[in-house]
Amino acid sequence: GAGVSQSPSNKVTEKGKDVELRCDPISGHTALYWYRQSLGQGLEFLIYFQGNSAPDKSGLPSDRFSAERTGGSVSTLTIQRTQQEDSAVYLCASSPARRAYEQYFGPGTRLTVT
Amino acid sequence: DQQVKQNSPSLSVQEGRISILNCDYTNSMFDYFLWYKKYPAEGPTFLISISSIKDKNEDGRFTVFLNKSAKHLSLHIVPSQPGDSAVYFCAAKNAGGTSYGKLTFGQGTILTVHP
Repeated sequence: GAGVSQSPSNKVTEKGKDVELRCDPISGHTALYWYRQSLGQGLEFLIYFQGNSAPDKSGLPSDRFSAERTGGSVSTLTIQRTQQEDSAVYLCASSPARRAYEQYFGPGTRLTVT
Repeated sequence: DQQVKQNSPSLSVQEGRISILNCDYTNSMFDYFLWYKKYPAEGPTFLISISSIKDKNEDGRFTVFLNKSAKHLSLHIVPSQPGDSAVYFCAAKNAGGTSYGKLTFGQGTILTVHP
């Protein structure tokens, strides 16, 4: 079956602009996660959805970052007034309810802020 | 505060030999540990996991060992193959609370297996 998909695969934006990153999880997966990987770093947790609600937003680095999930499926991560330090690969993952820690990742969106 | 650490940024191994990737953690509330493998331009893929109540889990060529007293885990790949060349991430899950499912990752180790 189809895996996790993300769009766009690459995004170059100017500092100060807003960007939206999209994630389509595996059908039937109730949990959805956003991570980011900066150059030379490990994956950094951003936010976790169970259904449409986000019980854990602890990883969002600032109030410029927000995310939503609709219909228990597609999720959008929005970064407002982008800064150069936001440049990273943004990864989305989903998991089934019973094994939430075995997460299936998408290919990521590489964001470059110039 | 790096709660999961992979202190070796890279490892080079000859084909057919054993690869040993190491990971240390500091949070005693972690109850589940996973290894992910990542090829360039792809997302990480789940490889193998272990619960904190076990000390070993084996799956084919891959074995994960957990030493809770030392807060250390390792991934053994035997025999190593060139296709195993990738970045390997260690990850840990915190028990319960609203953080269920949230994984804390190490920085990754680049494994290169030479033919």
